[in-house]
Amino acid sequence: QVQLVDSGGGVVQPGRSLRLSCAASGFTFSNYGMHWVRQAPGKGLEWVTLISYDGSNKYYTDSVKGRFTISRDNSKNTVYLQLNSLRAEDTAVYYCAKGRQFCTSAGCYPPSASYPMDVWGQGTTVTVSS
Amino acid sequence: DIQMTQSPSSLSASVGDRVTITCQASQDISNHLNWYQQKPGQAPKLLIYDASDMETGVPSRFSGSRSGTDFTFTISSLQPEDIATYYCQQYDNLPLTFGGGTKVKIK
Repeated sequence: QVQLVDSGGGVVQPGRSLRLSCAASGFTFSNYGMHWVRQAPGKGLEWVTLISYDGSNKYYTDSVKGRFTISRDNSKNTVYLQLNSLRAEDTAVYYCAKGRQFCTSAGCYPPSASYPMDVWGQGTTVTVSS
Repeated sequence: DIQMTQSPSSLSASVGDRVTITCQASQDISNHLNWYQQKPGQAPKLLIYDASDMETGVPSRFSGSRSGTDFTFTISSLQPEDIATYYCQQYDNLPLTFGGGTKVKIK
């Protein structure tokens, strides 16, 4: 079955960096875009970033632009989130999630740059504190 | 950004009760709305996509509907295992945005 395993979280000082990983299995990873969503302690869900199936397109929420970088390695079925210049407000559980859009070299369905997620990882906790 | 206004923020109901949660979009999003369930300490789970279509394996007591920019999520007969926080999410435009969540408790 589809499985996503998030890892890489930890406690880090403000201004430092961290790299999160999400290992996928149970589906053809290279056909799907991938998201990261975060949830601050006791708060709601916030979409962070999206990478297309082939890595050619990346989108970010404004608050992380220039600090976070999403990437993927389709040979390893893994998506990454590089977190730089971390701030206290980045403290959250970070979830990777499989995009609900199927793509091949012939095109994508549905044919939109904006699509939701269906299956989520278990999350990895990032705490930014001095 | 599209704002999603979800209400109520919490509710308490008895087992067997009908429970309704609403979400209003700040602009037309067509039917591009999902509903997720998040139990304590767990990742969210997709229940309803495209406003009213049920994800595979989801119990039939869960349903969704749309009227313009207003969306409704219903649990027809609340069960103890439905204790969770429910979120709506629009995917008509980036950034994807979520409602603030509705925490459902048993009375």
